[in-house]
Formats: sequence, C-alpha cells, structure tokens
Amino acid sequence: QQQVKQSPQSLIVQKGGISIINCAYENTAFDYFPWYQQFPGKGPALLIAIRPDVSEKKEGRFTISFNKSAKQFSLHIMDSQPGDSATYFCAARDDKIIFGKGTRLHILP
Amino acid sequence: DAGVIQSPRHEVTEMGQEVTLRCKPISGHNSLFWYRQTMMRGLELLIYFNNNVPIDDSGMPEDRFSAKMPNASFSTLKIQPSEPRDSAVYFCASSRQVRTEAFFGQGTRLTVV
Repeated sequence: QQQVKQSPQSLIVQKGGISIINCAYENTAFDYFPWYQQFPGKGPALLIAIRPDVSEKKEGRFTISFNKSAKQFSLHIMDSQPGDSATYFCAARDDKIIFGKGTRLHILP
Repeated sequence: DAGVIQSPRHEVTEMGQEVTLRCKPISGHNSLFWYRQTMMRGLELLIYFNNNVPIDDSGMPEDRFSAKMPNASFSTLKIQPSEPRDSAVYFCASSRQVRTEAFFGQGTRLTVV
C-alpha cells in the first residue's frame, strides 16, 4: 500500500528557518495532494492541498511545490515557529487517500 | 458543524474480547474512511465507503476486522476477537465527495491487553 514515499522521517530546524519535507508518488491516477498536520493526541488536520494542474500553492507561511513530471511534491514552511512542531503527512488521492509515513518536525526556540 | 465524531476516545479491553468503534461523519459527506495509526506502519487505510457502500476493504488486516455503514450518519469498525497487536489509534475521516479534502475525527486509542 506504500505508494507515497515521504522524507525525512524527522527534522530539526531553528526558529525562523525554512522547513522542507519531500514526497514522491507512483500512481499517476492521483489528482489531489493534501498535507496534514498532526499534534500529539489529535487527529490529522488538513493544512494545505494542491492539484496537479498548478506547480505551486502558497497559504501564509506554507507553500506546496509540485513537479508532475517527476511525480514529486514538497512542503515548505517559511519562518518556522516552535508552534509548528508537529508531525506532517503528505498524501495523495484518487478515490481513496494514501498517506506518507510522516515527518516529525521540531522547531528549536 | 461538530466535525467527525468518534467514540469511544479510549478503549482498553482484554485479548479475545469484541471491540466496536463508532464514527459519525460530517453531515452531507458521502465518503468515509477508516484508518489505523501505529508508530511502525503510520496511517494505514483499512476500508472506505462511498454513499454507504464499501468500495475497497483491501486494507483490512484479516477476517477479525469488519466495518459497516448502515446509513449516511453512522459507521462501525468491529474487531472480533481482539488481539494485543491490534493496539493502535483508529481514525475515521469523511469527505464531501471523492478527490476532495477529508476531515478526521479525534481517533480512538485502543489497547488490547
């Protein structure tokens, strides 16, 4: 079922720095690519999403970059803050949603 | 809207017992998903429904697991008999239609001793 590969598994970034998480997918039928943020004890919450007809989507400090030909997409968190410390999941969807294994992000104060 | 509601939030049961997890999707959502989350395997899709019909249950680990959606506002995931390796957090999610955003419940933490 592992059709979405995510890296790195964990990431430590200084406050104010840029956090970058990468994902790759295999199934070309996927046409919706969301990112989820999960805090301990909570369910995953939708952060930002993109469709493959655009190469970039920005919402505040969060940006998705999408490369359809390479079947890769990434999340950039600009000006990372301690409150961004969480686990981030990329996902890909056709009728069902397949998740990457997650990245534990820790922002140093 | 109250969001996706799951119950119970925590369940501790003895090996061999039957466990039933419940989910109420967001009103008007037509797709419902059950996921299992563990440290080792991450978020695994167990089964999903469209318009109350099971579409893909290939992620259900074995015959001990079953899921139903008798109507648009309720779904259950049942494990019978439960085993210690079933211990995990089980999430339910719903979306308005296919290929759109899905919203998760708070999850049920299951511990089988």
